[in-house]
Parts: sequence; structure tokens; C-alpha cells
Amino acid sequence: EVQLVESGGGVVRPGGSLRLSCAASGFTFDDYGMSWVRQGPGKGLEWVSGINWNGVSTEYVDSVKGRFTISRDNSKNSLYLQMNSLRAEDTAFYHCVRDGTLGFFDPWGQGTLVTVSS
Amino acid sequence: IVMTQSPATLSVSPGERATLSCRASQGIISNLAWYQQKPGQAPRLLIYGASIRATGIPTRFSGSGSGTEFTLTISILQSEDFAVYYCQQYNKWPPTFGQGTKLEIK
Repeated sequence: EVQLVESGGGVVRPGGSLRLSCAASGFTFDDYGMSWVRQGPGKGLEWVSGINWNGVSTEYVDSVKGRFTISRDNSKNSLYLQMNSLRAEDTAFYHCVRDGTLGFFDPWGQGTLVTVSS
Repeated sequence: IVMTQSPATLSVSPGERATLSCRASQGIISNLAWYQQKPGQAPRLLIYGASIRATGIPTRFSGSGSGTEFTLTISILQSEDFAVYYCQQYNKWPPTFGQGTKLEIK
């Protein structure tokens, strides 16, 4: 069974940092690109960042460029998101997702909640 | 690319048909996916390529459209189908989602 399990969320003050992790299992991790998608409380979905299979190519939504860094460790079947200079508007559930060949996302992890508040 | 879903909320009785719409601000060919999200759960892929059902998705779910106008149809609503549905375009980077349609029991 394909599984994605996120961890690392929590409460952090504005300007603080967090590192999210995603443990993947049930598939050949380095065959796939991966992404992070977030969902604010009671809000819709926003793609945040993506990384290709070997970590060479990364992309970010404009609102997090220069603050967030996506990375992966294929030897550990793990995906990461380093989040710095956090803002209140970054408050959301962060889902780890596997990139489909064409650009859709399947499956999704349950998500880890990041709350940015003073 | 801005994705606009309508209506925001749709009230339908079990056993009836539901039709959800999604419009793209520019042409996206057939590079559209639909997801279902139930309370407290992660989104689940239903449809990709505008009309291709994902693995394990019941045949009562069907997608149609191309270009800028897309539709998700649920032919005979079951109790487990009441949820929020999102469309997503992947024709142009970055991938973007609609704001969602909440399908509720009438």
C-alpha cells in the first residue's frame, strides 16, 4: 500500500522556522517527483513546492520563494520542507503528495498542521 | 491560471444526479484533475486527464470537457459521496486548484 506520512508540524511564532518531513512507503520513491500542498483552516488547496525525482529541479509558489526549501533523501525515502521566516498566512495543513506523471497528485498524506501565531 | 468552480454549495438528494462545474481562465486542453475531500481526510484523486477515472473510483463518477469548461458528474449519489470536490489544472506551472464545491445532502 502506498503511504505518505508527514511529521514536524507545530506552533511557531512569526519569523520562526520549522522543518517538515514526509516518510514514503509502498512504492519506488526515486521514480517520482514529489510536492507539498497546503490547506489553510477552512480554505482551499494551494500547491507550495515541488521537486523532481533526483532533487536537481525544484519549484516554489511565489509567496514562499526565498523562505522555503524543498529537499529529498532517496536513501531514506523521505521528503522535506524547510520553512523559514514564517508568517501568519503560512498557517495551514501541509500535505505531502506524489506527483503523477503529468502533474496531478496521487496519493496525499494526511497532513501536518503548522500554526504561526504570536 | 485561475480555476473557478460552481456552485460553491450544491444540495442534492441521495439517488439523484450531481453536476459540478470548473472553469479555467485560459485553455488547459484536458490537463484537469478532480479530487474528493471528506471531513478530516486528505483529498483523494478521482479523475485525471479530464475524463479518466483513477484506480478504484466507481463508475458513477465521470468527468468531461476540454479547453476551459469542465464537468464532474456523479450519476447516482450515495451517502459517502457528500464531500468537497476540487478541480486542479496541470497544463501550466504552477498547478492551481479551484476553491471547491461542497456537495451536501438535500
